[in-house]
Amino acid sequence: EPEVTQTPSHQVTQMGQEVILRCVPISNHLYFYWYRQILGQKVEFLVSFYNNEISEKSEIFDDQFSVERPDGSNFTLKIRSTKLEDSAMYFCASRRQGAIVDTQYFGPGTRLTVL
Amino acid sequence: EDKVVQSPLSLVVHEGDTVTLNCSYEVTNFRSLLWYKQEKKAPTFLFMLTSSGIEKKSGRLSSILDKKELFSILNITATQTGDSAIYLCAVQGGSEKLVFGKGTKLTVNP
Repeated sequence: EPEVTQTPSHQVTQMGQEVILRCVPISNHLYFYWYRQILGQKVEFLVSFYNNEISEKSEIFDDQFSVERPDGSNFTLKIRSTKLEDSAMYFCASRRQGAIVDTQYFGPGTRLTVL
Repeated sequence: EDKVVQSPLSLVVHEGDTVTLNCSYEVTNFRSLLWYKQEKKAPTFLFMLTSSGIEKKSGRLSSILDKKELFSILNITATQTGDSAIYLCAVQGGSEKLVFGKGTKLTVNP
């Protein structure tokens, strides 16, 4: 069964460094998302992406964050200058094109630790 | 602001027990409610509910939505240790984002 994949599974970085988290959505999906989950807290929406542009973003998704679909398969989240509070599990999700009411399928996540 | 509240936050049962997990919500322009199972990492999709009163069923798991009272329940019958996980409820309103609850941590002991 097709699934969303993410790399790396765990990334450790120093505060102020840039990180890029990578995702390969399910191949026939055209809507892509990033969510994050700080340890012990709720899963929170960051951004949605469709047709090579951001369709919606949360207040968390400030100028330090950016997303890109550099080729036909990858979807990336870049954090330009990481802060301690960026430490979290980051989940990528995707869904098919079509009606807005459709299931989002999640990847296994990347655990980001900022020291 | 859209909100999802799950209860209980934690539940410990013995194998064979039946459990009911609750999810209440407030959302503008409701479109769907989704249940996910989170073991270790990725939330794994269980059900999507859009219509009131129609039960979704998959094996020992079932779920129903009440759009009038703004809640959903997830039932698991004859629980097994493999059902131990965090169960997440999420709602989608008039936009792309899913709004999640805190989850219910279910522990099934042998």
